Amino acid sequence: AQSVTQLDSQVPVFEEAPVELRCNYSSSVSVYLFWYVQYPNQGLQLLLKYLSGSTLVKGINGFEAEFNKSQTSFHLRKPSVHISDTAEYFCAVSEGTGGFKTIFGAGTRLFVKA
Amino acid sequence: EAQVTQNPRYLITVTGKKLTVTCSQNMNHEYMSWYRQDPGLGLRQIYYSMNVEVTDKGDVPEGYKVSRKEKRNFPLILESPSPNQTSLYFCASSLGSFGQETQYFGPGTRLLVL
Repeated sequence: AQSVTQLDSQVPVFEEAPVELRCNYSSSVSVYLFWYVQYPNQGLQLLLKYLSGSTLVKGINGFEAEFNKSQTSFHLRKPSVHISDTAEYFCAVSEGTGGFKTIFGAGTRLFVKA
Repeated sequence: EAQVTQNPRYLITVTGKKLTVTCSQNMNHEYMSWYRQDPGLGLRQIYYSMNVEVTDKGDVPEGYKVSRKEKRNFPLILESPSPNQTSLYFCASSLGSFGQETQYFGPGTRLLVL
């Protein structure tokens, strides 16, 4: 069965510092991997996704993530964060076709301080 | 504007009083899904629908019903709400029912059951 573990529930960081949000997954088959962001009082929106091919995936707002199959990880990174990046970030994994199920991690709250 | 809308956004009700949360998308998406978000648990899928008149249970379907009579609408019904259904609910849609699809989320409905 699939599962997703986000290793940090909260990550405080100063503005312009780099950040890494960690995500590990488990699955017995090939998966698709996603990072979604939830700004306060809003729904989730896609940051980036890995389907196949290059293991380094670039997304919106300067974020990128690297798929590491051997470590079953999909960590999210940004070299320099802004106050506006304060949000909750969700890692998600899905597999299969036809009525797919997406499993979300518990979320990581990124708090960017001035 | 392409969007997923939910109504109401906020709802306070009492135990046992039937309620419906509506969800509508204007993107002609085939796949729609309902999630609930609880602190520390991330998003958990309640029900999903691959197309009109095709629905199936997600991970936490107990106490909920859905219907898909039209492609654009996917209402969530709580026939007899209980306090453990107090949560933040999200509707989502995607173009197809394959694992690699991006899901588009509504703004959420915050439900309090007294």
